[in-house]
Amino acid sequence: DTEVTQTPKHLVMGMTNKKSLKCEQHMGHRAMYWYKQKAKKPPELMFVYSYEKLSINESVPSRFSPECPNSSLLNLHLHALQPEDSALYLCASSQFTGTASYEQYFGPGTRLTVT
Amino acid sequence: ELKVEQNPLFLSMQEGKNYTIYCNYSTTSDRLYWYRQDPGKSLESLFVLLSNGAVKQEGRLMASLDTKARLSTLHITAAVHDLSATYFCAVDILSGNTPLVFGKGTRLSVIA
Repeated sequence: DTEVTQTPKHLVMGMTNKKSLKCEQHMGHRAMYWYKQKAKKPPELMFVYSYEKLSINESVPSRFSPECPNSSLLNLHLHALQPEDSALYLCASSQFTGTASYEQYFGPGTRLTVT
Repeated sequence: ELKVEQNPLFLSMQEGKNYTIYCNYSTTSDRLYWYRQDPGKSLESLFVLLSNGAVKQEGRLMASLDTKARLSTLHITAAVHDLSATYFCAVDILSGNTPLVFGKGTRLSVIA
C-alpha cells in the first residue's frame, strides 16, 4: 500500500464551525506533513510530525491545531477559520530514520472553503 | 536558506514543439523532485533525481540534474495537449527533517 488518503475531499464551513481534516497512511512512514496550497501557488509547509511528535510548526495561527494520535494518522483540527484560509490542504508522509528523511508521498488533498 | 527558482513561470507552447523548464536552487541539496499538478488536484510525482548527472525519462518528459550548477531541467518533447498542467520542482536535504522547498511552478499550456 503506497497510498496516502485524506478525508473529506471537500469541506465547506462557516467561520464559527469546528471541523477536522483526516490523513492516513499505512506505509510505516514515521514523518507526516500538512501543507496549505492557495490557487496558483506552490504548497506551503504548515506542520511536520516525526515519530508522532510535532517537530516543525511554521508559525501557523492557533486556529489550526494538528494532532498525530498514532503513527498512521494525522489530523488537522480547524476552529474559527477566516475566508482567507480557504485552500487545498495536502497531507504527505515519508520514511524518517530519526536523522534522515526520504521522499514525501502526497495525499489527494482536501479542498476547504470557509464562508 | 534554501531557495528554488523556476522559469519560465508561464509557458504556452504549440503541440509538437519542444521546450525546457529550468529549476535553479541556492544551496547544496541531496534530492530534487519534479511534480505535476492538474487544476484542483494533488501533486503527482514525476521524477526524483538523486545524483549529479542523473537523467530520467518518462514518455515525452525528461529530467536531468547538474548538482555543480545547482540546476535541473525538465525537457518536453513533441508536446501534446495532455501535458497541460502546472509543473513544480522541489528540493530537500537528506539530513534531519528539513522541509521540502518548492519552486513557484511553471504553468504549461499546450495549444493546437
